[in-house]
Amino acid sequence: DGGITQSPKYLFRKEGQNVTLSCEQNLNHDAMYWYRQDPGQGLRLIYYSQIVNDFQKGDIAEGYSVSREKKESFPLTVTSAQKNPTAFYLCASSIEGRNTEAFFGQGTRLTVV
Amino acid sequence: KNQVEQSPQSLIILEGKNCTLQCNYTVSPFSNLRWYKQDTGRGPVSLTIMTFSENTKSNGRYTATLDADTKQSSLHITASQLSDSASYICVVKRGATNKLIFGTGTLLAVQP
Repeated sequence: DGGITQSPKYLFRKEGQNVTLSCEQNLNHDAMYWYRQDPGQGLRLIYYSQIVNDFQKGDIAEGYSVSREKKESFPLTVTSAQKNPTAFYLCASSIEGRNTEAFFGQGTRLTVV
Repeated sequence: KNQVEQSPQSLIILEGKNCTLQCNYTVSPFSNLRWYKQDTGRGPVSLTIMTFSENTKSNGRYTATLDADTKQSSLHITASQLSDSASYICVVKRGATNKLIFGTGTLLAVQP
């Protein structure tokens, strides 16, 4: 099946530890995005990538890092520098273009314990 | 400031009834407006994408309207079903960039 897959669905992390969230797509999309969703707030952009080996900071990139070594994969690392990492993280992908649809993964809920 | 505001924050309706959700935006320049449905704990799923020249777009029981002059959109749900219970998110794409500006969503509960 074509789609975008995030793993794991739930993730627990101790304070001070880095953790990596996986995002894989087989839609042949060039653009991939990471968003963070908190209760009562709209999705906020963390990082995005429009092409392999290139990525740009979004609105809330501090404490996060990404890589785009393959077109299909866009992992997000939540580092210990992120002050409030507990949130629901969503990965999305799209074809470049003004009116193209963005497809979202099912999300990863990260909880810092 | 580029913002998307949705109302109401939450809504409870009885199964079979209709409802309308509102979205006002100040995003400029405007590229397109999208409505997404997000089930609890899942990723958003696209319902419609509307460009500047489109006033109405339907997807089954969902009908979106867009008034680009007043910068308002609505999502009308006809003959609601229990499976319509979800958060509905209005998203505006800013022109000349790939940035999507998200509203905070309207949480809809359909009761039997």
